[in-house]
Amino acid sequence: DGGITQSPKYLFRKEGQNVTLSCEQNLNHDAMYWYRQDPGQGLRLIYYSQIVNDFQKGDIAEGYSVSREKKESFPLTVTSAQKNPTAFYLCASSATGTRFFGSGTQLSVL
Amino acid sequence: LAKTTQPISMDSYEGQEVNITCSHNNIATNDYITWYQQFPSQGPRFIIQGYKTKVTNEVASLFIPADRKSSTLSLPRVSLSDTAVYYCLVGDILGGGADGLTFGKGTHLIIQP
Repeated sequence: DGGITQSPKYLFRKEGQNVTLSCEQNLNHDAMYWYRQDPGQGLRLIYYSQIVNDFQKGDIAEGYSVSREKKESFPLTVTSAQKNPTAFYLCASSATGTRFFGSGTQLSVL
Repeated sequence: LAKTTQPISMDSYEGQEVNITCSHNNIATNDYITWYQQFPSQGPRFIIQGYKTKVTNEVASLFIPADRKSSTLSLPRVSLSDTAVYYCLVGDILGGGADGLTFGKGTHLIIQP
């Protein structure tokens, strides 16, 4: 069953804590993306990776970090430098530009 | 990058045909037009994609005039379950990777009984 898996579905962060969101795909796609969505808003690009061991900042990369050690995996770390992390986070992958999305992770601050 | 403009919201009724228009005046030669659907607390789902004229699949039709400066997503005989946010995106899909596809606020379509 091919697709993109994001975990966890819900995540809570304490003040000053780093948290990592998981994204795994078995679609054999080279490109992967992380987006942030705030209530009633569109998606904003955080980071993207076109190939293993390479990634680029998107529009709102400050306070976030990523790694791409394997083609299948593109984890996102929300660092303590991100002062307003509460949002819905979406991971996507693509081979030809059309994005395939995961089901998202809702991150909230305790 | 081609910027898109679409209505913030639309209302319709079950069984009606709904047309959502998107403007993209500075679309480039290599750009394709793609529409996504998003339900609350879910990731966007691909609906349809086209380059010119008309494209139809089992879910929707996409009409693109000759100048390609706009496009219209047509949903036939909508039901309550079509209530969602619809995004119009323009970008060079053949380039692959991070072509800068930008998701705006989309069109919130509300279907009433």
